[in-house]
Amino acid sequence: DTEVTQTPKHLVMGMTNKKSLKCEQHMGHRAMYWYKQKAKKPPELMFVYSYEKLSINESVPSRFSPECPNSSLLNLHLHALQPEDSALYLCASSPQGNGPPNTEAFFGQGTRLTVV
Amino acid sequence: DQQVKQNSPSLSVQEGRISILNCDYTNSMFDYFLWYKKYPAEGPTFLISISSIKDKNEDGRFTVFLNKSAKHLSLHIVPSQPGDSAVYFCAASAYSSNTGKLIFGQGTTLQVKP
Repeated sequence: DTEVTQTPKHLVMGMTNKKSLKCEQHMGHRAMYWYKQKAKKPPELMFVYSYEKLSINESVPSRFSPECPNSSLLNLHLHALQPEDSALYLCASSPQGNGPPNTEAFFGQGTRLTVV
Repeated sequence: DQQVKQNSPSLSVQEGRISILNCDYTNSMFDYFLWYKKYPAEGPTFLISISSIKDKNEDGRFTVFLNKSAKHLSLHIVPSQPGDSAVYFCAASAYSSNTGKLIFGQGTTLQVKP
């Protein structure tokens, strides 16, 4: 199993809603990532979890709250988002998030989020 | 400040010919480089990587070349096939940072014409 599975694939939410994005991998990877990608832009890193601990927060607003319940699961809790937060949210995993080697990350299909 | 740049937003080549996608970087701490391919409505898929201790890595039809002095890398696809049509992202990371963080370029849309 070399897949990273993200649910839902599409999400439309209002600015007062609370929703969660989910990501799952069963490759035994110990690093998991959230990236945000706007149209015609490259993916931008939001968070890195290494061995289930948050190791990087790229100054992401607190309306985005990550959670790593176990080594296979990664959630992104959303609350009071703005229309400009509409984007493709990509989850990724890699064998190791700290220490060498920095091998390739496997990406999920993404969740297309629209905030109305 | 864009640390990884792909200056060609798009590239069109004929089936069977060579596709050359270019990528430049500014951060001399980067020491590991990756190419990803992305189809619409899918996540990026890893293609090929290269460490800074090498100047070339080959995998089937895909070859990546690294010129450290010029801070430049390129992806060669030979022969190009219509199924290669996608957006190609160059990404870089710093081994010494031990964070797993990838910095992506803006992407180049490749169209391979039959």
